Amino acid sequence: EAQVTQNPRYLITVTGKKLTVTCSQNMNHEYMSWYRQDPGLGLRQIYYSMNVEVTDKGDVPEGYKVSRKEKRNFPLILESPSPNQTSLYFCASSLGQGAGEQYFGPGTRLTVT
Amino acid sequence: QKEVEQDPGPLSVPEGAIVSLNCTYSNSAFQYFMWYRQYSRKGPELLMYTYSSGNKEDGRFTAQVDKSSKYISLFIRDSQPSDSATYLCALDSSYKLIFGSGTRLLVRP
Repeated sequence: EAQVTQNPRYLITVTGKKLTVTCSQNMNHEYMSWYRQDPGLGLRQIYYSMNVEVTDKGDVPEGYKVSRKEKRNFPLILESPSPNQTSLYFCASSLGQGAGEQYFGPGTRLTVT
Repeated sequence: QKEVEQDPGPLSVPEGAIVSLNCTYSNSAFQYFMWYRQYSRKGPELLMYTYSSGNKEDGRFTAQVDKSSKYISLFIRDSQPSDSATYLCALDSSYKLIFGSGTRLLVRP
């Protein structure tokens, strides 16, 4: 089944404890992206990657890191999480190197206390 | 001014009604337009993808783009309770999608 998977789906952590949210797609898509979704603010892009080893900042990159070492994986790293990073996170991918028709993962609900 | 404006609703309609969901945008350079449906606690699901002005139909769903007015619409015919969800418009800005804030739709049986 063609899909984007994320792990973990739910995570509660404490301020400052490094964490990684994994994202993987099995559709051989070039483009991958991370979004956060907050009430009243909608979906905002954190980082994106046009292809392997190429990443760039989105609208809200502060406090996040990404890497794209393999085509299928695009992990999101929070080096020192803070409470304002409590949010619902989505990974997405699309076939071409642009945003295009994006397919989303199921989401990761992160709470930072 | 936000790049994309969308009424948050909620919009409540009886089963079988025709639903009209709308977004306005500010940048006339946008060429590709999308509608996503998001059920509670799920990821957004791509419903419709259109290029430039005109209509596109897929089953009970019709997407309409009016570039001269910078206005996009999604029509749902014969709405069903299973259509109850949040509907997000999205504009393709090359390397990112710009989303509206979403309209919550409730279809009452």
